[in-house]
Order: sequence, then C-alpha cells, then structure tokens
Amino acid sequence: AQSVAQPEDQVNVAEGNPLTVKCTYSVSGNPYLFWYVQYPNRGLQFLLKYITGDNLVKGSYGFEAEFNKSQTSFHLKKPSALVSDSALYFCAVSPDQTGANNLFFGTGTRLTVIP
Amino acid sequence: GAGVSQTPSNKVTEKGKYVELRCDPISGHTALYWYRQSLGQGPEFLIYFQGTGAADDSGLPNDRFFAVRPEGSVSTLKIQRTERGDSAVYLCASSILYTDTQYFGPGTRLTVL
Repeated sequence: AQSVAQPEDQVNVAEGNPLTVKCTYSVSGNPYLFWYVQYPNRGLQFLLKYITGDNLVKGSYGFEAEFNKSQTSFHLKKPSALVSDSALYFCAVSPDQTGANNLFFGTGTRLTVIP
Repeated sequence: GAGVSQTPSNKVTEKGKYVELRCDPISGHTALYWYRQSLGQGPEFLIYFQGTGAADDSGLPNDRFFAVRPEGSVSTLKIQRTERGDSAVYLCASSILYTDTQYFGPGTRLTVL
C-alpha cells in the first residue's frame, strides 16, 4: 500500500529565513513525487515534481525539493521565506511506475511566514 | 490560458437528494481526475478518465457515486441519495496525458444538510 506522511501540521518561520516542509512516503517501486500548494478558496497549484534524474528538483516561486531514496523523503525547501508563501502545502505520490495517474496525498502542512 | 473550471462553486442540498458536479478540463487534456477533500485532510482519489472511458474508478466510495465523460472533455460527477458524510470539496484535475502533471480546478464545496 502507498502512503504519504507529512509529520508537521503547522510550520512557522520568520520572513527571510529558510523553510523546510517535510514529507516521507511509502510506495512499491520507484515513486513519482509532487508538491502542491493551496491558498484559501483556491484550488491546488502545482509547485514541482520528481520523476527521475537529479535528486534536487527546482520548481515555482523559488521552491525546491530533494528526493532521498534511502530515507524515502521528499522535503520541500526554500532559502528565504516570504510572507506570501503562507499557505497549505501538500505532498503527493503516484505509485504507478508507468505514469502519474491517481495521486495519494498527505494531510497537508500549514506554513505561516511571520513578518 | 483557461484553467480547469468547476461548477457550481458551492452546492447545498438535503440528505437523500441527487446532485451533479461539473468539470471543464483544460482544452486538449485527455486525462481527467476527480478527488474529494474532507475538512483537514488531503485530497482522496475517486476516479480517473483517459478519454471517454473510466480507466480507474477504484476510489469511488460506493455505488451512489458515478461519473461520466461522454465526449472526452467535460465530466460530470453524480451522487445519488446524498448523505451528510458526502459533504466535502470535490476537486477535478486534468493532464495532457496520464503521465503528466495534474492541474486542479478550484473545487465544488458540497454541503449535505
């Protein structure tokens, strides 16, 4: 069975500081990994994905994530947080080695960037 | 360009009623997905279409839920005999091919009284 864990419900960080939002996964085979962000009253917005290749993936709005196969993690990072980054972040995994169809999501981490 | 759109944005109904939720995918996207997001949870997969056919409906919770995509574009999620536990935000997503990134619509918030 596949699953995604986001161990922190809430992350607070000061503006300008680096931020990390954690994600670990469990899936058979090689995973396809994704990060999405959800702003209030808006749909999920795609940030970045890992399919294969370089373990460090760069995405939208200055975010990046590092795939660590041995630790089965895919933590989201940003060197300098902005107040506008405050939102709900979801990690997702697709267990299908041939493509990205149904996604399994974590429960989300609410990021608050403090001015 | 236009993203995924969903109508209505909000739907309030009474227990036992029938509802239809509509999704307009991004033009040219062949794959379409439905998810359900309950309060405080991440989205849960319901069903996935490749073209007109349901390629995977393993996430539909029971036979009260049904979805169609007759012309390979717009999709309708249908819920019969609604229950209070069906209250959630129903999200639709589309992708160019099933292997590509899924882009989500704003969702329909369903409230069953």
